[in-house]
Amino acid sequence: EDKVVQSPLSLVVHEGDTVTLNCSYEVTNFRSLLWYKQEKKAPTFLFMLTSSGIEKKSGRLSSILDKKELFSILNITATQTGDSAVYLCAVLYGGATNKLIFGTGTLLAVQP
Amino acid sequence: GAVVSQHPSRVICKSGTSVKIECRSLDFQATTMFWYRQFPKKSLMLMATSNEGSKATYEQGVEKDKFLINHASLTLSTLTVTSAHPEDSSFYICSARKEDRVGNQPQHFGDGTRLSIL
Repeated sequence: EDKVVQSPLSLVVHEGDTVTLNCSYEVTNFRSLLWYKQEKKAPTFLFMLTSSGIEKKSGRLSSILDKKELFSILNITATQTGDSAVYLCAVLYGGATNKLIFGTGTLLAVQP
Repeated sequence: GAVVSQHPSRVICKSGTSVKIECRSLDFQATTMFWYRQFPKKSLMLMATSNEGSKATYEQGVEKDKFLINHASLTLSTLTVTSAHPEDSSFYICSARKEDRVGNQPQHFGDGTRLSIL
């Protein structure tokens, strides 16, 4: 059975801390891994990773994929209270279907 | 770019009512859209894939007669929850993906519809 597992389930840090969120997967016909940030409403897209070892960066956020070990990490440096959200990892799989399977998410709370 | 609009954002209605939710891609065309359901503190579960001009593809365990999907144009898909009951109360989210030949575009999500059946 295909699955995406995220850890930790929740995390509380203080502003300025650096956090690392983990995502491991067992998915047949893997195509890409995506990270989303979900606050009160719908998820907003952060990164899409297709190749191993190539780090993607956007400001204080960065992510990398290891297709051999079947995992990805999302790093957030110098965290701010606005980073508080649920971070979702999803795997795009299959051929033409473009379906996503989501992990359960990591709830990040950044305290002032 | 890649904006997806979902309407309404919130519905509260009586048991037995049918509820229609719209999902629009505002600045791109999408032959495929996706409908998800999210329970509190749980992740998104794919319900069905909406295909423009043809029947939707439902995931295992999702009742097609209960959740009617129509994708009549390249920018609009609708989900109708028929004869809704309290157990249908949930957060419903749609997504759409810009088409390209390589398949490197991510899905973008609407803001979701919180459905409460009394």
